[in-house]
Amino acid sequence: KQEVTQIPAALSVPEGENLVLNCSFTDSAIYNLQWFRQDPGKGLTSLLLIQSSQREQTSGRLNASLDKSSGRSTLYIAASQPGDSATYLCAPEQWGGNKLTFGTGTQLKVEL
Amino acid sequence: DTGVSQDPRHKITKRGQNVTFRCDPISEHNRLYWYRQTLGQGPEFLTYFQNEAQLEKSRLLSDRFSAERPKGSFSTLEIQRTEQGDSAMYLCASSATGRTSGRNTGELFFGEGSRLTVL
Repeated sequence: KQEVTQIPAALSVPEGENLVLNCSFTDSAIYNLQWFRQDPGKGLTSLLLIQSSQREQTSGRLNASLDKSSGRSTLYIAASQPGDSATYLCAPEQWGGNKLTFGTGTQLKVEL
Repeated sequence: DTGVSQDPRHKITKRGQNVTFRCDPISEHNRLYWYRQTLGQGPEFLTYFQNEAQLEKSRLLSDRFSAERPKGSFSTLEIQRTEQGDSAMYLCASSATGRTSGRNTGELFFGEGSRLTVL
């Protein structure tokens, strides 16, 4: 059974800092991995999707990397802004599973 | 709005009552998922459909839960005889699959969720 761990569980930083959010998973036989953002009381917004054959994906100030063999993915946020405050979730999809398994997320607060 | 929509957004009910949630996926997506999320936790998989076929159900989906997708478009999730432990956010997501691979070709897109409170 796939297990996903996200570190740190919570993070509070001043505006402008570059951030690294970590995701680890126990079963490396994944098809892809997706990063989401969730605002309080809201649904999930997809940020980035990395296919298992890719090493990284970039979208604006976000960069996600994937090291499948070691069971790790990293989300890098450059020049953080207060609007980035949210919970960030990673979710790998198994080859045989057709569904995503989520971690508990990293709760990010970016202060002025 | 062409995203995933869910209704109702909030539902408060008394223990023992039945509730039904509806999800309308992105129109060209053939795969539809239901997840449940409790406070401070990540979403947990409940079930998914490919077109109208329900292909997998989690052990979390007890006998009191039933999901349908009758014409391969919208889906409903019904909870019978609700219990306080059913209080959660119920999330719906949709995706498209490749014709030959049967795998998701891209991202899962989630709706805003239906929050259930059982008193």
